[in-house]
Amino acid sequence: QVHLVESGGGVVQPGGSLRLSCAASGFSFSGYGMHWVRQAPGKGLEWVAFIRYDGSNKQYAESVKGRFTISRDNSKNTLYFQMNSLRVEDTAVYYCAKKYSTYFHYWGQGTLVTVSS
Amino acid sequence: EIVLTQSPGTLSLSPGERATLSCRASQTVSSSNLAWYQQKPGQAPRLLIYAASSRATGIPDRFSGSGSGTDFTLTIIRLEPEDCAVYYCQQYDNWWTFGQGTKVEIK
Repeated sequence: QVHLVESGGGVVQPGGSLRLSCAASGFSFSGYGMHWVRQAPGKGLEWVAFIRYDGSNKQYAESVKGRFTISRDNSKNTLYFQMNSLRVEDTAVYYCAKKYSTYFHYWGQGTLVTVSS
Repeated sequence: EIVLTQSPGTLSLSPGERATLSCRASQTVSSSNLAWYQQKPGQAPRLLIYAASSRATGIPDRFSGSGSGTDFTLTIIRLEPEDCAVYYCQQYDNWWTFGQGTKVEIK
């Protein structure tokens, strides 16, 4: 049974940094690409980043490019999201999701990031 | 970037009725790259339909997807109270984008 658990969310001031983690279990983590998708309060879904199964290819939405970095440690079955230069508009629930073809197959429960002074 | 526009914004129906949700793309989308998700209040999204018309594992056959090109539809027959949720369409064309969602309310 696929299980994804995000952690690391919290309250941070504008310009600050935060590192999210996503612990994966129930599948062969090293064989699958992974995504981060976010959802601002009361809003829709926004894809923000993707990493290939082996970490060799990464893609970012324009809204986070240059500020956020996706990475993974296949030996620890863990996905990461380093978020720097945070802005108020980055406030959202951040979900990690397992890739299946061009879809988001399984999702974690999400972790809330609040950027506020 | 392909923009997905969903309609209506909100659908209010009674149990047992049929819901028809629309997703229109600003450019042609390959059917193999079109999916639908269900998000219940306070929960993470769940994959419902992929490749425009294939049901994901464990999804009841009350849910069906159809369409091609720029127009796609999610149909839910025999609505149940548990179907109360926001439904999103999603496409991939070098980037992943979602529609803004349709909220289904059960009267």
